[in-house]
Amino acid sequence: EPEVTQTPSHQVTQMGQEVILRCVPISNHLYFYWYRQILGQKVEFLVSFYNNEISEKSEIFDDQFSVERPDGSNFTLKIRSTKLEDSAMYFCASREGTGSIEQYFGPGTRLTVT
Amino acid sequence: KQEVTQIPAALSVPEGENLVLNCSFTDSAIYNLQWFRQDPGKGLTSLLLIQSSQREQTSGRLNASLDKSSGRSTLYIAASQPGDSATYLCAVRDSNYQLIWGAGTKLIIKP
Repeated sequence: EPEVTQTPSHQVTQMGQEVILRCVPISNHLYFYWYRQILGQKVEFLVSFYNNEISEKSEIFDDQFSVERPDGSNFTLKIRSTKLEDSAMYFCASREGTGSIEQYFGPGTRLTVT
Repeated sequence: KQEVTQIPAALSVPEGENLVLNCSFTDSAIYNLQWFRQDPGKGLTSLLLIQSSQREQTSGRLNASLDKSSGRSTLYIAASQPGDSATYLCAVRDSNYQLIWGAGTKLIIKP
């Protein structure tokens, strides 16, 4: 069964460093999402992406964040200058398209900023 | 602004018992509601998705109900097993297809 994959599973980085979190959505899906979950807190929407552009973003998704679909398979989340409070689990999700409502989630990347 | 609340925050029951997890939301204008399971340090597994026009969905020992007008959903787990121990998350989908999440109920099933 097709699934969303994410790499790495765990990333440790120093404050101020740039990180790129990678996701491979399900191959025929057209809509892509990033969510994050700070330890002990709710899952929060970050951004949605369709047709090579951001369709929605939350207040969390400030200028330090960017997303890209550099090729036909990867979907990346970049954090330019990480802060301690960026430490969280980051989930990628994808959805097939119009008329298909369910998002399929990847296993997540745990980002630890020291 | 949509707010999703889950009660209780934690629940511990003996194996074999039936149990109910609750989810409430403040804005009834939802497209659907979804229940997820999250194991410690792991990803999100979708359990059941209920469309706004539906009243319930069943999968095996799980039954989810939706009362959109009152802003409530319940997840019923029958004959609980230790393997059911996990955090159960409720999320509603708004008009922008964004998922708004509850904080979850941490469930422990005691053998």
